[in-house]
Amino acid sequence: DAKTTQPNSMESNEEEPVHLPCNHSTISGTDYIHWYRQLPSQGPEYVIHGLTSNVNNRMASLAIAEDRKSSTLILHRATLRDAAVYYCILRWDTDKLIFGTGTRLQVFP
Amino acid sequence: DTGVSQDPRHKITKRGQNVTFRCDPISEHNRLYWYRQTLGQGPEFLTYFQNEAQLEKSRLLSDRFSAERPKGSFSTLEIQRTEQGDSAMYLCASSPPGLAGNEQFFGPGTRLTVL
Repeated sequence: DAKTTQPNSMESNEEEPVHLPCNHSTISGTDYIHWYRQLPSQGPEYVIHGLTSNVNNRMASLAIAEDRKSSTLILHRATLRDAAVYYCILRWDTDKLIFGTGTRLQVFP
Repeated sequence: DTGVSQDPRHKITKRGQNVTFRCDPISEHNRLYWYRQTLGQGPEFLTYFQNEAQLEKSRLLSDRFSAERPKGSFSTLEIQRTEQGDSAMYLCASSPPGLAGNEQFFGPGTRLTVL
């Protein structure tokens, strides 16, 4: 399974944009890039996913590099409720999710 | 609440005892997954069901672990002869029919402490 690399932690102030990077240099052509997040004391929750084009939904935006070897999850205006561990996961036609250690995002008021 | 539910939420047991956890997926979700998460780590895949068929098991799932989904609805995960290393959060997730890459919906987890 292709591996992803994320910073261990990041910090942001409330209402500022946050860019969470993910490197996946060994991504294959059919791997989708998924992001999940895990709030304290909860199970993970889906955030967004994409293949080649940038994607937007109500929670976040996903910017995918042209060579697909990296991607960035963008939270446009961080809130205190966005404090969580964010996981970048590559996934192709396999049902299981393979989590790394993710990025712990701290949001300060 | 129509989300994934797990029972119990917390379980404390003594080493050597057997424990069983239950997961109720979202209605009409035919795929069900079990993961285990230890402190500071991301969840690790344990096993996966499509309807009642167990299609994949991780090497993490030793012979002391068994999972069932007898009628393709709820699932149980049993750990026999628990060890202190089994202490972890056990997460269940489900996903709807369709593409294998569908979003997985997670439950709140069962936290197991083995004394």
